[in-house]
This record gives sequence, C-alpha cells and structure tokens, in this order.
Amino acid sequence: DSGVTQTPKHLITATGQRVTLRCSPRSGDLSVYWYQQSLDQGLQFLIQYYNGEERAKGNILERFSAQQFPDLHSELNLSSLELGDSALYFCASSPTGTSGTYEQYFGPGTRLTVT
Amino acid sequence: ILNVEQSPQSLHVQEGDSTNFTCSFPSSNFYALHWYRWETAKSPEALFVMTLNGDEKKKGRISATLNTKEGYSYLYIKGSQPEDSATYLCAFISGGSYIPTFGRGTSLIVHP
Repeated sequence: DSGVTQTPKHLITATGQRVTLRCSPRSGDLSVYWYQQSLDQGLQFLIQYYNGEERAKGNILERFSAQQFPDLHSELNLSSLELGDSALYFCASSPTGTSGTYEQYFGPGTRLTVT
Repeated sequence: ILNVEQSPQSLHVQEGDSTNFTCSFPSSNFYALHWYRWETAKSPEALFVMTLNGDEKKKGRISATLNTKEGYSYLYIKGSQPEDSATYLCAFISGGSYIPTFGRGTSLIVHP
C-alpha cells in the first residue's frame, strides 16, 4: 500500500458525459501527478500540482482539467468524454515540487470506461 | 517528443537465471531517471531514482547503473524468482521541463 488513495476504482459512463476522479496523496507529500494509461500507449504524464499550484503540464487535453485543494487532495475532471478516453488513470504523489529527485508513489488507479 | 526506449519488450527466463534490460534516453539535458516495477493488477512501485552519471543502485537482487553521457541505464536482476515477474518501467526526467517521459516497459516472466 503506497498511501495514495484514488476514488472511484471503476467508472463506467457514456460519451459526452463529465466525470471527476479524486486522489489523496501520501501524508506529507505536496505534489500530485496525474497519468493516463491506455491500451495502445504507455504511461502518459498529464499534469502536476505542487502545494495547490500547477507545476508542470504534459499532453493533457483541453477537455480535461485538474486542481489541488488546500488539504492537498486533487481532482481530475474529464468532460465531453469520448470513447478514446477509456483508460486507467493513475495519480502519484511525492514530497517535493520537482519530479526528478524523489520517488513517486502511485495510487491504485481509476479504470474509466466510456461507452 | 522525447524518445525513451526500453528493450527487450518482453523476456522469459527460468528461475535462477540472471537477466538485464536496457532503458535508452536522450543524452542531453538529463535531470533524473526513475525505475519502476509494475505487477499485473497493481500500481507502479518505485525501485530506483538515479541522478548522477555513473550511479549504481542496489535493492536486494536488483541493481541498476546509469550512463548519462551515452543515454542508457541497465537494470539487472540476479537469480530471478517467479515473484520478480512484472513489467519494469523507466522514466526519463529532462532538466528543461521536469516532466517524466516513460518507456513502454520490459515485461519479465520468470518460469519456475
């Protein structure tokens, strides 16, 4: 158990809908990262927040947004969902704002299925 | 787009065999390299964080080396056990963006 929690574990929804994925980092970690793992791609970095502020942005679609709250939990909002958004979404946390020098601790993931 | 390649894509070995695989990454603007172990139906688990050229890290039977000048890292497993079966991922972090770019992983299956 990494100490990172994600809810829900599974989510099935229809195209065009909007969903929110939630992540709570390990106690004391200030950074949260969001990743997407789809069948035909490797693990893709989406976005990083550090202590409430956006720190780095990867290949995140404009239909997707995220935020980190004062209690450090984070939410990833996916809207106007398409079939291709079906994937496993991970969040990870680390103590610092720079992703390089510290390990990231991954949550169990949220499996999103868009039908 | 940064190119992070892992080879081989998959590997089958017998229990007790030693094995190694490669992560290749851009040799410029290096900041750090991470290795992760990802078991089926679980989430990636950090193995090593490597930051200096020539770094060697070890955790039990697993070790890793880093060559930032030529852009590669090796992961070694000595005396493989069935419980080592997993996908091993590397992630390159560049000094410009600090965004991790993951390789596709090496899938290791250790047969008893």
